[in-house]
Amino acid sequence: EVQLLESGGGLVQPGGSLRLSCPASGFTFSSYTMSWVRQAPGKGLEWVSTISGSGANTYYADSAKGRFTISRDDSKNTLYLQMNSLRAEDTALYYCARGGLTVDGFQHWGQGTLVTVSS
Amino acid sequence: QSALTQPASVSGSPGQSITISCTGTSSDVGTYNFVSWYQQHPGKAPKLMIYEVSNRPSGVSSRFSGSKSGNTASLTISGLQAEDEADYYCSSYRSSGTLVFGGGTKMTVL
Repeated sequence: EVQLLESGGGLVQPGGSLRLSCPASGFTFSSYTMSWVRQAPGKGLEWVSTISGSGANTYYADSAKGRFTISRDDSKNTLYLQMNSLRAEDTALYYCARGGLTVDGFQHWGQGTLVTVSS
Repeated sequence: QSALTQPASVSGSPGQSITISCTGTSSDVGTYNFVSWYQQHPGKAPKLMIYEVSNRPSGVSSRFSGSKSGNTASLTISGLQAEDEADYYCSSYRSSGTLVFGGGTKMTVL
């Protein structure tokens, strides 16, 4: 069974940083493109970032470019999202998902970790 | 990055069929067959219902089908059931090397 378990969310002040983690199990992690998708309270889904199975290619939404960094550690079967210069509008539930921009869609999702940016 | 356009809400009675539209541009839906649909119940993570316009993942009911014409993709739910009441989101690859979601549609079973 595929399992994705996000962690690392919390309350942070504007301008602060957080690192989200998503350990994965139930599949060969290194073979899959992985992504982060977020959902602001009461709002719709927003794609944030994607990393290829090799880690060689990364993609970012304009809202994340220059502030967020996606990475992976295949030895630990874990996906990361380093978030810097956080803003109030980054407040959201952050989901880890298996899949990328094109084929197959986001086939599996975690339950999300809540990031709240507020003073 | 502007979102794909979906109706805010749709409704139907049990047993009926409904269709949710998802309108993009020639930079996304109109050019690429990488359109997906997701179902989200309140307080739950999204669930993939359709990928690559019309493909159903294993375990998804055949009552769900997808199609595309020009810049508009569609999700059809036939034989509506109470459990289908949820929010539905479309997504598409965009030529800038990004992915865009629709604003979401609240589907109500009357």
